Amino acid sequence: EVQLVESGGGLVQPGGSLRLSCAASGFTFSNSWMHWVRQVPGKGLTWVSRINTDGTITSYADSVKGRFTVSRDNTKSTLYLQMNSLRAEDTALYHCVRSAWGAFNSWGQGTLVTVSS
Amino acid sequence: DTVMTQSPDSLTVSLGERATINCTSSQSVFYSSNNKNFLAWYQQRPGQPPKLLIYWASTRESGVPDRFSGSGSGTDFTLTISSLQAEDVAVYYCQQHYNSPFTFGPGTKVDIK
Repeated sequence: EVQLVESGGGLVQPGGSLRLSCAASGFTFSNSWMHWVRQVPGKGLTWVSRINTDGTITSYADSVKGRFTVSRDNTKSTLYLQMNSLRAEDTALYHCVRSAWGAFNSWGQGTLVTVSS
Repeated sequence: DTVMTQSPDSLTVSLGERATINCTSSQSVFYSSNNKNFLAWYQQRPGQPPKLLIYWASTRESGVPDRFSGSGSGTDFTLTISSLQAEDVAVYYCQQHYNSPFTFGPGTKVDIK
């Protein structure tokens, strides 16, 4: 069974940093492109970032470019999102997502990030 | 960026009746190299993460009931639930998985009448 378990969320002040982690199991992590997608509670879905299988290709939504960094450790089957210079508008539930053929076929439950003073 | 729109915003359908959701992309998501439309549909039940239903516009994900079907090409797409069941109450999102940023539609809420 595919499992994606996010952690690292919490309350942080504007301008602060957080590092999210996603522990993957039940599939060959090193063969999968991975993404982060966020959702403000009660609102829609916004793609944040993606990373290819060996970590050499990354891309970001314009709203987070230059502030967020996605990375992975295939030896630990873990995906990361380093979030710096956080803003109130970054407040959301952050989902770790696996993709196949470009479609997002496995989702974690998410970790909540709240940016507030 | 490719903008995704959906209609209606919400709909209520009687059990066993058909539900139809439309999705339009601001640019074509058809990839001629493999003759596929890079359009996906997701179901999000309350308190749950989204679940992939359909990819490549009409390919049903493994385990998805066959009452769910997708159609369309280029910029106009449709998700049809042929006979609505109680467990289908959810928000449905379309998404283009053609190019980055991978944009989603705003969602359509489906309820039982």
